[in-house]
Amino acid sequence: DVKVTQSSRYLVKRTGEKVFLECVQDMDHENMFWYRQDPGLGLRLIYFSYDVKMKEKGDIPEGYSVSREKKERFSLILESASTNQTSMYLCASSPGLGKGNTEAFFGQGTRLTVV
Amino acid sequence: AQSVAQPEDQVNVAEGNPLTVKCTYSVSGNPYLFWYVQYPNRGLQFLLKYITGDNLVKGSYGFEAEFNKSQTSFHLKKPSALVSDSALYFCAVSHISSGSARQLTFGSGTQLTVLP
Repeated sequence: DVKVTQSSRYLVKRTGEKVFLECVQDMDHENMFWYRQDPGLGLRLIYFSYDVKMKEKGDIPEGYSVSREKKERFSLILESASTNQTSMYLCASSPGLGKGNTEAFFGQGTRLTVV
Repeated sequence: AQSVAQPEDQVNVAEGNPLTVKCTYSVSGNPYLFWYVQYPNRGLQFLLKYITGDNLVKGSYGFEAEFNKSQTSFHLKKPSALVSDSALYFCAVSHISSGSARQLTFGSGTQLTVLP
């Protein structure tokens, strides 16, 4: 089974802190994604990566950055956390274009609270 | 631009009755369509997908979905609901971004409650 693992289930951080959310997948997938989930808004894409060291902005990249130094790991960075970044963060991975199954697989989520 | 609409925030159904969760989409070209389910404080689990072929797609846990190209819909269905089906359901459409990756655009979600 595909496994996508997020390093923390719950985090509480202070305003202004630098926050790292880590995600690891074990299926050699090319693509990795970070979403945030808020009630009534569904999932919104923050950033994604289609290869090591490659990244593209999603719909809501402001206030976030990402890092992908190894194929299996994709990190989301909040440079200076703010209360409006309190949310559920979901990581996902999927195969590259033309590589079989098209569905994405999700981690368990990290519920981040910024106080 | 691609978009997904789930017109109902909440669907309630009695156990044993059929259920339908509605989804409509807008995308250029042939759509890749997905349904995911989320249980409380958990990530999303893949239920089923439509890529091509038969308009009726069968997935996990007895769920199925009907692709209707003329109505641009992809409604999720189950003939007989269980209390354990109570969860948040998301419809999504897949599209290629800048030729680099296939990414998903999600609907806002529908909370399904199955009443005993």
